[in-house]
Amino acid sequence: DADVTQTPRNRITKTGKRIMLECSQTKGHDRMYWYRQDPGLGLRLIYYSFDVKDINKGEISDGYSVSRQAQAKFSLSLESAIPNQTALYFCATQGLEPPNEQFFGPGTRLTVL
Amino acid sequence: DAKTTQPPSMDCAEGRAANLPCNHSTISGNEYVYWYRQIHSQGPQYIIHGLKNNETNEMASLIITEDRKSSTLILPHATLRDTAVYYCIVYTGTASKLTFGTGTRLQVTL
Repeated sequence: DADVTQTPRNRITKTGKRIMLECSQTKGHDRMYWYRQDPGLGLRLIYYSFDVKDINKGEISDGYSVSRQAQAKFSLSLESAIPNQTALYFCATQGLEPPNEQFFGPGTRLTVL
Repeated sequence: DAKTTQPPSMDCAEGRAANLPCNHSTISGNEYVYWYRQIHSQGPQYIIHGLKNNETNEMASLIITEDRKSSTLILPHATLRDTAVYYCIVYTGTASKLTFGTGTRLQVTL
């Protein structure tokens, strides 16, 4: 089983709809991240959480919100989806032991019509 | 976090060494150099990291210049499965988050 899972893997929705993307991990990591990737570009950080009670905005948090329901779960919501939020979304976790690498989920491809 | 500069694309013949350069002239003393790769549209995958010494693992080698202003990721015997976008990132490892640039798209050919 994958260490970091994301649901759904693909989603098509309409402008104005509320959408939730979910991330679960079995690695026991406290740190979790949400990124988006647009075609031809690198990943950009939306939100991150260093533990259940710690939520921080990333570089592109406008239009998004998050919820850290438990150590293992970190959800990303689009309150009112718009077409320019069409992108590939990745969740990641990070441990505190060297090499401190981030482990990424398989991604969610979101299309907003 | 320090900024990195990478060539947008490179080609490599299968079986040959792929040498991917990265400039990070503003790197701070407590920042590591990390490399990740992203195959097609999958989630990025950690490859290797280092502070000032050269490092090697089962995937690759990392050569960091003495002044730490640049580094090179070496895939010693590239295969078609190594075709991916490679990201060079500098950061402290725990105190901050990763900042991805646009990376280098490596195409391994027959």
